[in-house]
Amino acid sequence: GAGVSQSPRYKVTKRGQDVALRCDPISGHVSLYWYRQALGQGPEFLTYFNYEAQQDKSGLPNDRFSAERPEGSISTLTIQRTEQRDSAMYRCASSPRLAGTTGELFFGEGSRLTVL
Amino acid sequence: KNEVEQSPQNLTAQEGEFITINCSYSVGISALHWLQQHPGGGIVSLFMLSSGKKKHGRLIATINIQEKHSSLHITASHPRDSAVYICAVTANNDMRFGAGTRLTVKP
Repeated sequence: GAGVSQSPRYKVTKRGQDVALRCDPISGHVSLYWYRQALGQGPEFLTYFNYEAQQDKSGLPNDRFSAERPEGSISTLTIQRTEQRDSAMYRCASSPRLAGTTGELFFGEGSRLTVL
Repeated sequence: KNEVEQSPQNLTAQEGEFITINCSYSVGISALHWLQQHPGGGIVSLFMLSSGKKKHGRLIATINIQEKHSSLHITASHPRDSAVYICAVTANNDMRFGAGTRLTVKP
């Protein structure tokens, strides 16, 4: 596609359910970042990939959160046993350059997660 | 202390005024990004800097690597510039964000 695509755009789930959020980066982009943004707050880094390799998990809040990018393209962020505090806008960004180098970022529209 | 500090947090200006938003960071970086987030929530990357200065239309971004400081300037501000402006740095292979500056430009 022309831009970074995320799905679903909106997800409402009950506490305790698992959710999977998808990010489809711009074709050919090598690095992909996940971050989240609570209402009224700045973005918070979660994790990132260079190709299929997850480089840094330190931003993931706890072990209920995991991410993968098995073929170096589409990435999935999975939240297990969701809690109300997980409610936020989850966004991804991709870049044509390796993370840690000077590549421009392209952002998706985000997936808004609401946990009831 | 946040590794990326922005100032001011909120800024209100009259149409036509010159705007400056500042970003200071405390880590070594590979690049600094200025992002614009509109009320609808979408984020647009305005600039990516690793040194010097860049200009795009009425927007100018500068970075001083030695002082670990960047500024975003808007000349002849317009109400459509109203948005949250976020400074983000790529550092140590992750991304750190400032809290954002909410700009309101009044006609």
